[in-house]
Amino acid sequence: AQKVTQAQTEISVVEKEDVTLDCVYETRDTTYYLFWYKQPPSGELVFLIRRNSFDEQNEISGRYSWNFQKSTSSFNFTITASQVVDSAVYFCALSEPLGGFKTIFGAGTRLFVKA
Amino acid sequence: EAQVTQNPRYLITVTGKKLTVTCSQNMNHEYMSWYRQDPGLGLRQIYYSMNVEVTDKGDVPEGYKVSRKEKRNFPLILESPSPNQTSLYFCASSPQGYNSNQPQHFGDGTRLSIL
Repeated sequence: AQKVTQAQTEISVVEKEDVTLDCVYETRDTTYYLFWYKQPPSGELVFLIRRNSFDEQNEISGRYSWNFQKSTSSFNFTITASQVVDSAVYFCALSEPLGGFKTIFGAGTRLFVKA
Repeated sequence: EAQVTQNPRYLITVTGKKLTVTCSQNMNHEYMSWYRQDPGLGLRQIYYSMNVEVTDKGDVPEGYKVSRKEKRNFPLILESPSPNQTSLYFCASSPQGYNSNQPQHFGDGTRLSIL
């Protein structure tokens, strides 16, 4: 069955520290898609990245980077040199065609970045 | 402006009084979905629709109904709301088809309180 686990409920860091948010998933399909979304204190959900199961290349976008490892079923998200504006809840999500593109979200990790 | 619009944004109502939360998107997206967000549980999918007249249950469909008569609209209906449906609700859409999976665009959320 599909499952997404974000074991870190809350993380608190000081500005300029690097921080990694973990995401572990379970799926029975060989084709699937992984996502990260950000929910700032204002409440909206913002798409950050999508990865399909056939593309294991890591990705970097500015201070954000993602490490996708099929061998450990993980899709971790690192923020380098964190800033106060990074404070938000971050969600990892999984979608698979076998399930009709039903989407499963993790419980989220709340990140506090202190000045 | 491309957007997903939900109405109302806030609603306080009483047990058993039927209500509808509307969702409309102006991006000609095929896929639409409803989620509820509860503390510690992340987002859970209620229903989703791959296209007009095609709807499927997500993980928590009990107590909810949806319809997809037009591509742009995907209302969420609570026929007899109960207090355990008090939650923050998000509508989302994406342009995906069966052979791809695109990130979802989310509405601003509807906070429902059922007394």
